[in-house]
Amino acid sequence: QKEVEQDPGPLSVPEGAIVSLNCTYSNSAFQYFMWYRQYSRKGPELLMYTYSSGNKEDGRFTAQVDKSSKYISLFIRDSQPSDSATYLCAMSESETSGSRLTFGEGTQLTVNP
Amino acid sequence: DAGITQSPRHKVTETGTPVTLRCHQTENHRYMYWYRQDPGHGLRLIHYSYGVKDTDKGEVSDGYSVSRSKTEDFLLTLESATSSQTSVYFCATGTGGVYTEAFFGQGTRLTVV
Repeated sequence: QKEVEQDPGPLSVPEGAIVSLNCTYSNSAFQYFMWYRQYSRKGPELLMYTYSSGNKEDGRFTAQVDKSSKYISLFIRDSQPSDSATYLCAMSESETSGSRLTFGEGTQLTVNP
Repeated sequence: DAGITQSPRHKVTETGTPVTLRCHQTENHRYMYWYRQDPGHGLRLIHYSYGVKDTDKGEVSDGYSVSRSKTEDFLLTLESATSSQTSVYFCATGTGGVYTEAFFGQGTRLTVV
């Protein structure tokens, strides 16, 4: 069983929709949670990060962590065609590099104009 | 892409041949990483480096070796390529914390026939 599970989609929504992307995990030692965005034929780029449980908002994006349920979410409000990409969740036990980032498989999102 | 260059961008090679992928950074980041990305698996860490000549294994290191003789260069070698090593390989860099492991190269698409 994978440490991090993420529905690969694909997910297709109309422009302006609210998008919910989710990951579940089994390792209770994970404390640092990240979301990466990857456009086609490009490398991933860090979108948001959070520590422990709670919410973090950045513009149209909200990251939510529920450690009791081992469940993290990324919400995109007023989705735009430019949000079309693959979204990967990532997690780590420690803040320092060298502690491994464990990635989800990624969810492919298409926002239709 | 934050000054990270991967070469080559595409390569087709035959089973049993050695292959070297290069990652060059201009950011002077201490940490460098090699990942592979495959459908159904997401990103998996192969090897990483925390300084010149300092390297360590990741999750899927069998069949791969790395070297870092200069801060800016991190080489990944497939000693004897196999079809299971057909993948997209990403180099990443960071300054020390997982939140700063945010810079990925454009990727190298390797096909082993």
